[in-house]
Amino acid sequence: DTEVTQTPKHLVMGMTNKKSLKCEQHMGHRAMYWYKQKAKKPPELMFVYSYEKLSINESVPSRFSPECPNSSLLNLHLHALQPEDSALYLCASSQDLRGFSNSPLHFGNGTRLTVT
Amino acid sequence: AQSVAQPEDQVNVAEGNPLTVKCTYSVSGNPYLFWYVQYPNRGLQFLLKYITGDNLVKGSYGFEAEFNKSQTSFHLKKPSALVSDSALYFCAVRDMEGSGNTGKLIFGQGTTLQVKP
Repeated sequence: DTEVTQTPKHLVMGMTNKKSLKCEQHMGHRAMYWYKQKAKKPPELMFVYSYEKLSINESVPSRFSPECPNSSLLNLHLHALQPEDSALYLCASSQDLRGFSNSPLHFGNGTRLTVT
Repeated sequence: AQSVAQPEDQVNVAEGNPLTVKCTYSVSGNPYLFWYVQYPNRGLQFLLKYITGDNLVKGSYGFEAEFNKSQTSFHLKKPSALVSDSALYFCAVRDMEGSGNTGKLIFGQGTTLQVKP
Protein backbone atom coordinates (compact mmCIF):
# COMPACT_ATOMS: atom_id res chain seq x y z
CA ASP A 1 0.00 0.00 0.00
CA THR A 2 1.10 3.52 -0.78
CA GLU A 3 2.32 5.81 1.99
CA VAL A 4 0.83 8.81 0.22
CA THR A 5 -2.93 9.00 0.69
CA GLN A 6 -5.19 10.83 -1.73
CA THR A 7 -8.88 11.61 -1.35
CA PRO A 8 -11.31 11.28 -2.94
CA LYS A 9 -10.51 8.35 -5.23
CA HIS A 10 -13.08 9.47 -7.78
CA LEU A 11 -14.65 12.87 -8.38
CA VAL A 12 -17.25 14.00 -10.89
CA MET A 13 -17.84 17.72 -11.10
CA GLY A 14 -19.61 20.19 -13.32
CA MET A 15 -17.86 23.08 -14.96
CA THR A 16 -19.29 25.56 -12.44
CA ASN A 17 -18.43 23.55 -9.33
CA LYS A 18 -15.70 24.15 -6.79
CA LYS A 19 -14.01 21.09 -5.32
CA SER A 20 -10.74 20.16 -3.63
CA LEU A 21 -8.36 17.24 -3.87
CA LYS A 22 -6.45 16.25 -0.75
CA CYS A 23 -3.10 14.53 -0.23
CA GLU A 24 -1.38 13.44 2.98
CA GLN A 25 2.00 11.87 3.74
CA HIS A 26 3.66 10.99 7.04
CA MET A 27 7.13 10.08 5.82
CA GLY A 28 8.67 13.37 6.93
CA HIS A 29 9.16 14.42 3.33
CA ARG A 30 9.59 18.13 2.71
CA ALA A 31 8.88 18.20 -1.03
CA MET A 32 5.39 17.57 -2.41
CA TYR A 33 4.09 17.51 -5.95
CA TRP A 34 0.93 17.56 -8.05
CA TYR A 35 0.91 15.73 -11.36
CA LYS A 36 -1.75 15.31 -14.03
CA GLN A 37 -1.88 12.10 -16.02
CA LYS A 38 -3.90 11.20 -19.10
CA ALA A 39 -4.51 7.56 -19.99
CA LYS A 40 -1.35 5.63 -20.90
CA LYS A 41 0.73 8.83 -20.93
CA PRO A 42 3.51 9.90 -18.57
CA PRO A 43 2.57 12.16 -15.67
CA GLU A 44 2.86 15.89 -16.31
CA LEU A 45 4.19 18.04 -13.49
CA MET A 46 1.88 20.81 -12.30
CA PHE A 47 3.30 22.13 -9.00
CA VAL A 48 6.19 21.53 -6.62
CA TYR A 49 6.24 22.59 -2.97
CA SER A 50 9.46 22.65 -0.98
CA TYR A 51 9.22 23.31 2.75
CA GLU A 52 5.57 24.36 2.31
CA LYS A 53 6.52 27.03 -0.21
CA LEU A 54 5.54 26.86 -3.87
CA SER A 55 8.76 26.42 -5.82
CA ILE A 56 7.51 25.40 -9.26
CA ASN A 57 4.32 26.24 -11.16
CA GLU A 58 4.46 24.72 -14.62
CA SER A 59 2.29 27.46 -16.16
CA VAL A 60 -0.84 25.77 -14.85
CA PRO A 61 -4.15 27.63 -15.49
CA SER A 62 -5.46 29.57 -12.51
CA ARG A 63 -8.52 27.34 -12.28
CA PHE A 64 -6.13 25.00 -10.43
CA SER A 65 -5.00 26.45 -7.10
CA PRO A 66 -2.57 24.51 -4.88
CA GLU A 67 -2.22 24.90 -1.14
CA CYS A 68 0.21 23.39 1.35
CA PRO A 69 -1.18 23.97 4.88
CA ASN A 70 1.65 22.06 6.58
CA SER A 71 4.47 19.65 5.81
CA SER A 72 2.14 16.64 5.67
CA LEU A 73 -0.76 18.02 3.66
CA LEU A 74 -1.23 19.19 0.10
CA ASN A 75 -4.48 20.37 -1.45
CA LEU A 76 -5.51 21.19 -4.99
CA HIS A 77 -8.50 23.50 -5.27
CA LEU A 78 -10.50 23.24 -8.48
CA HIS A 79 -12.84 25.86 -9.92
CA ALA A 80 -14.48 26.33 -13.30
CA LEU A 81 -12.75 23.36 -14.86
CA GLN A 82 -13.12 22.28 -18.46
CA PRO A 83 -13.92 18.77 -19.77
CA GLU A 84 -10.34 18.48 -21.05
CA ASP A 85 -9.17 18.71 -17.42
CA SER A 86 -10.56 15.22 -16.85
CA ALA A 87 -7.59 13.07 -15.86
CA LEU A 88 -5.91 11.18 -13.03
CA TYR A 89 -4.40 13.65 -10.57
CA LEU A 90 -1.44 12.27 -8.70
CA CYS A 91 0.19 13.58 -5.56
CA ALA A 92 3.78 12.66 -4.73
CA SER A 93 6.35 13.41 -2.06
CA SER A 94 10.11 13.12 -1.70
CA GLN A 95 12.88 14.01 0.71
CA ASP A 96 14.31 17.49 1.01
CA LEU A 97 15.36 18.68 -2.45
CA ARG A 98 18.67 19.94 -1.16
CA GLY A 99 21.30 17.22 -1.47
CA PHE A 100 18.85 14.39 -2.21
CA SER A 101 19.01 14.30 -5.98
CA ASN A 102 18.61 10.53 -6.06
CA SER A 103 15.66 10.50 -3.68
CA PRO A 104 12.71 8.85 -5.46
CA LEU A 105 9.22 10.27 -5.57
CA HIS A 106 6.54 8.35 -3.70
CA PHE A 107 3.16 8.57 -5.42
CA GLY A 108 -0.37 8.24 -4.15
CA ASN A 109 -2.98 6.25 -6.08
CA GLY A 110 -4.52 9.40 -7.46
CA THR A 111 -7.91 10.99 -7.84
CA ARG A 112 -9.79 10.13 -11.03
CA LEU A 113 -11.44 13.42 -12.01
CA THR A 114 -14.26 13.69 -14.54
CA VAL A 115 -15.49 17.13 -15.55
CA THR A 116 -18.96 17.16 -17.13
CA ALA B 1 18.07 19.66 -23.10
CA GLN B 2 17.71 16.58 -20.97
CA SER B 3 15.53 13.75 -22.20
CA VAL B 4 14.54 10.13 -21.74
CA ALA B 5 13.44 7.75 -24.48
CA GLN B 6 11.62 4.45 -24.27
CA PRO B 7 11.74 3.16 -27.83
CA GLU B 8 9.09 0.46 -27.45
CA ASP B 9 5.42 1.22 -26.84
CA GLN B 10 4.79 -2.41 -25.92
CA VAL B 11 6.85 -5.46 -25.02
CA ASN B 12 5.36 -8.95 -25.12
CA VAL B 13 6.98 -11.89 -23.36
CA ALA B 14 5.93 -15.35 -22.29
CA GLU B 15 5.75 -16.15 -18.60
CA GLY B 16 9.02 -17.57 -17.34
CA ASN B 17 11.09 -15.90 -20.06
CA PRO B 18 13.48 -13.05 -19.35
CA LEU B 19 12.25 -9.55 -20.05
CA THR B 20 13.92 -6.28 -20.99
CA VAL B 21 12.32 -2.85 -21.14
CA LYS B 22 14.61 -0.34 -22.81
CA CYS B 23 15.46 3.20 -21.75
CA THR B 24 18.04 5.65 -23.07
CA TYR B 25 18.79 9.06 -21.65
CA SER B 26 20.46 12.33 -22.52
CA VAL B 27 21.67 14.53 -19.65
CA SER B 28 24.48 16.90 -18.89
CA GLY B 29 26.29 15.84 -15.76
CA ASN B 30 25.53 12.85 -13.55
CA PRO B 31 22.33 10.97 -14.40
CA TYR B 32 19.83 10.39 -11.60
CA LEU B 33 17.74 7.62 -13.14
CA PHE B 34 14.64 5.85 -11.89
CA TRP B 35 12.18 3.15 -12.95
CA TYR B 36 8.53 3.21 -11.97
CA VAL B 37 5.67 0.77 -12.60
CA GLN B 38 2.00 1.64 -12.85
CA TYR B 39 -0.78 -0.92 -12.53
CA PRO B 40 -4.28 -0.07 -13.79
CA ASN B 41 -6.08 2.55 -11.68
CA ARG B 42 -3.07 2.99 -9.40
CA GLY B 43 -0.33 5.53 -8.92
CA LEU B 44 3.30 5.03 -9.90
CA GLN B 45 5.34 2.67 -7.76
CA PHE B 46 9.07 3.17 -7.41
CA LEU B 47 11.04 0.11 -8.58
CA LEU B 48 14.68 1.12 -8.45
CA LYS B 49 17.18 3.92 -8.99
CA TYR B 50 20.67 4.20 -10.39
CA ILE B 51 23.39 4.44 -7.78
CA THR B 52 26.66 5.95 -8.95
CA GLY B 53 29.27 3.25 -9.52
CA ASP B 54 26.83 0.30 -9.64
CA ASN B 55 26.25 -0.83 -13.21
CA LEU B 56 23.71 -3.42 -12.12
CA VAL B 57 21.08 -2.12 -9.74
CA LYS B 58 18.66 -4.43 -7.96
CA GLY B 59 15.15 -3.28 -7.12
CA SER B 60 11.74 -4.44 -5.99
CA TYR B 61 9.85 -7.56 -7.16
CA GLY B 62 12.96 -9.18 -8.66
CA PHE B 63 13.62 -6.37 -11.14
CA GLU B 64 17.08 -5.05 -11.89
CA ALA B 65 18.47 -2.44 -14.24
CA GLU B 66 21.69 -2.32 -16.18
CA PHE B 67 23.40 1.05 -16.48
CA ASN B 68 25.62 1.57 -19.52
CA LYS B 69 27.35 4.94 -19.62
CA SER B 70 28.81 4.58 -23.13
CA GLN B 71 25.40 3.70 -24.58
CA THR B 72 23.56 6.12 -22.23
CA SER B 73 21.10 3.37 -21.40
CA PHE B 74 19.38 2.13 -18.26
CA HIS B 75 17.44 -0.96 -19.33
CA LEU B 76 15.07 -2.70 -16.94
CA LYS B 77 15.40 -6.47 -16.72
CA LYS B 78 13.96 -9.48 -14.97
CA PRO B 79 15.25 -13.03 -15.37
CA SER B 80 11.83 -14.72 -15.29
CA ALA B 81 8.64 -12.79 -16.10
CA LEU B 82 5.35 -13.27 -14.26
CA VAL B 83 1.87 -12.59 -15.60
CA SER B 84 1.46 -10.21 -12.65
CA ASP B 85 4.33 -8.10 -14.04
CA SER B 86 1.99 -6.92 -16.82
CA ALA B 87 1.77 -3.15 -16.35
CA LEU B 88 2.95 0.22 -17.67
CA TYR B 89 6.61 1.00 -17.00
CA PHE B 90 8.19 4.45 -16.93
CA CYS B 91 11.85 5.39 -16.99
CA ALA B 92 12.66 8.83 -15.56
CA VAL B 93 15.64 11.11 -15.00
CA ARG B 94 15.95 13.93 -12.50
CA ASP B 95 16.01 17.34 -14.20
CA MET B 96 19.19 18.96 -12.88
CA GLU B 97 19.55 21.76 -15.43
CA GLY B 98 19.54 25.35 -14.31
CA SER B 99 19.39 25.70 -10.54
CA GLY B 100 20.10 22.06 -9.66
CA ASN B 101 17.61 19.74 -8.00
CA THR B 102 14.16 21.24 -8.37
CA GLY B 103 12.50 17.88 -7.82
CA LYS B 104 11.37 17.67 -11.43
CA LEU B 105 11.45 14.30 -13.16
CA ILE B 106 11.59 13.87 -16.91
CA PHE B 107 9.61 10.77 -17.85
CA GLY B 108 9.85 8.55 -20.88
CA GLN B 109 6.66 7.88 -22.81
CA GLY B 110 6.12 4.56 -21.08
CA THR B 111 6.24 0.93 -22.18
CA THR B 112 3.37 -1.47 -21.70
CA LEU B 113 4.62 -4.88 -20.67
CA GLN B 114 2.34 -7.80 -21.52
CA VAL B 115 3.30 -11.17 -20.03
CA LYS B 116 1.31 -14.08 -21.43
CA PRO B 117 0.83 -17.39 -19.64
